[in-house]
Amino acid sequence: QLQLQESGPGLVKPSETLSLTCTVSGDSASTYYWSWIRQPAGKGLEWIGRFYIRGNTNYNPSLKSRVTMSIDTSKNQFSLKLTSVTAADTGVYYCARAAAGFWLDPWGRGTLVTVSS
Amino acid sequence: EIVLTQSPDFQSVTPKEKVTITCRASQSIGSSLHWYQQKPDQSPKLLIKYASQSISGVPSRFSGSGSGTDFTLTINSLEAEDAAAYYCHQSSSFPWTFGQGTKVEIK
Repeated sequence: QLQLQESGPGLVKPSETLSLTCTVSGDSASTYYWSWIRQPAGKGLEWIGRFYIRGNTNYNPSLKSRVTMSIDTSKNQFSLKLTSVTAADTGVYYCARAAAGFWLDPWGRGTLVTVSS
Repeated sequence: EIVLTQSPDFQSVTPKEKVTITCRASQSIGSSLHWYQQKPDQSPKLLIKYASQSISGVPSRFSGSGSGTDFTLTINSLEAEDAAAYYCHQSSSFPWTFGQGTKVEIK
């Protein structure tokens, strides 16, 4: 059974870089498309991007200039980097498999990131 | 960007009642519409893919319909465990977008 677990610093200073990792268990991370999604406290879901090891990476234009997604096949992990963060980037960050490239299943449990000095 | 508008934003429902949540897309998305359930302090869970395709392990009281711009999630005979926020999501074109969510409360 495919399982995902996000990890990374819970507190990031303004203007710095947010770095998160999603560890995949139960299958190879190089097999699938992956997405990152975030959710500010008490609010809705925002799609950040979709990544595939063999290309076809797509980012939300609202974040595109600041986002990078990548994969480490040796660790069976994929990652998210978001540069120049502000308080508006505070929220729970989820990783999810983009099954068949299109629907999100399963999701990780999420990790809370707070941007504050 | 395709905007998804859900209605209602909030619904308070008695157990065993039928719940209907709609999701309207700002342009045609075919059947590239998926539904998720998010219970308090949990991550979202896939309920329906491609507008009406059922998901293994999801109770049969959840069903979806629609195509083009208008979609519906139906919960037949609501149970207490169905208290959650429900989101639609389109994967027809980038950027992928979500509806604003519908919160279902049990009376």
